[in-house]
Amino acid sequence: GENVEQHPSTLSVQEGDSAVIKCTYSDSASNYFPWYKQELGKRPQLIIDIRSNVGEKKDQRIAVTLNKTAKHFSLHITETQPEDSAVYFCAASKTGNQFYFGTGTSLTVIP
Amino acid sequence: DTAVSQTPKYLVTQMGNDKSIKCEQNLGHDTMYWYKQDSKKFLKIMFSYNNKELIINETVPNRFSPKSPDKAHLNLHINSLELGDSAVYFCASSQGQGFNEQFFGPGTRLTVL
Repeated sequence: GENVEQHPSTLSVQEGDSAVIKCTYSDSASNYFPWYKQELGKRPQLIIDIRSNVGEKKDQRIAVTLNKTAKHFSLHITETQPEDSAVYFCAASKTGNQFYFGTGTSLTVIP
Repeated sequence: DTAVSQTPKYLVTQMGNDKSIKCEQNLGHDTMYWYKQDSKKFLKIMFSYNNKELIINETVPNRFSPKSPDKAHLNLHINSLELGDSAVYFCASSQGQGFNEQFFGPGTRLTVL
C-alpha cells in the first residue's frame, strides 16, 4: 500500500516568516494530494489540494508544489500568522476513496 | 447547520464493553469514512463506504464493525473494547468516489479504562 512520510514533525517560526512542510509518497499511481489543517481540539479541514497534472497551486498565502518524478510534495505558508498555528497533514490518494495521511507537522507561529 | 455530526463527543468505558459511535452527514454525500487518530495524532483510515456499500476495509480488528443504514449515516460498533482502542475517532464524508474534499466530523474521544 501507499506510505506517506512527512517532515518535520514540529516546526516553530517567527510571525511573518515562511514555513515549509514536506511529504514523500511511495506509490507512483497516487495522483491526488490534499493538505489538511487541524487546530487544537478541532476537526481536520482541507486547506489546499493538488492533482498530479499540475506542478504548483497557490491560494493567497498558501502554496503546494508537486514533483511526481521524485514523489514528493510540499506545503508553503508565507507571511505566517499566529492563527496558522496548528497540526498540518498531507495525504495521498490514487482511488479517491482511500486516503493515506502523513504523520502530521505541529506548526507554532511565535508572535 | 452541522455538516458532519458524531455522537457521543466523549466516551469513557471499561475494557471488555461494547460501544457504538454514530455519524450523520447532511451534505448529500455518498461516500463516508471512519478514521482513527491516536495519541501521536496519526490519522489512519479504517473504513470507507460508498452508497451504503463497503469500499475499503483496512487492517482493522473484526471487533470493529461499521454499519451504514443509509447514505447519510455510518455508525461504528466496537466489541470487547481494549486499552489500545483509546483514540479519537473521526467520521468524514465526501461527494462521490472522485478526488473531492473530505468533510470531517468533530471527533469522538474514546477512553478505555
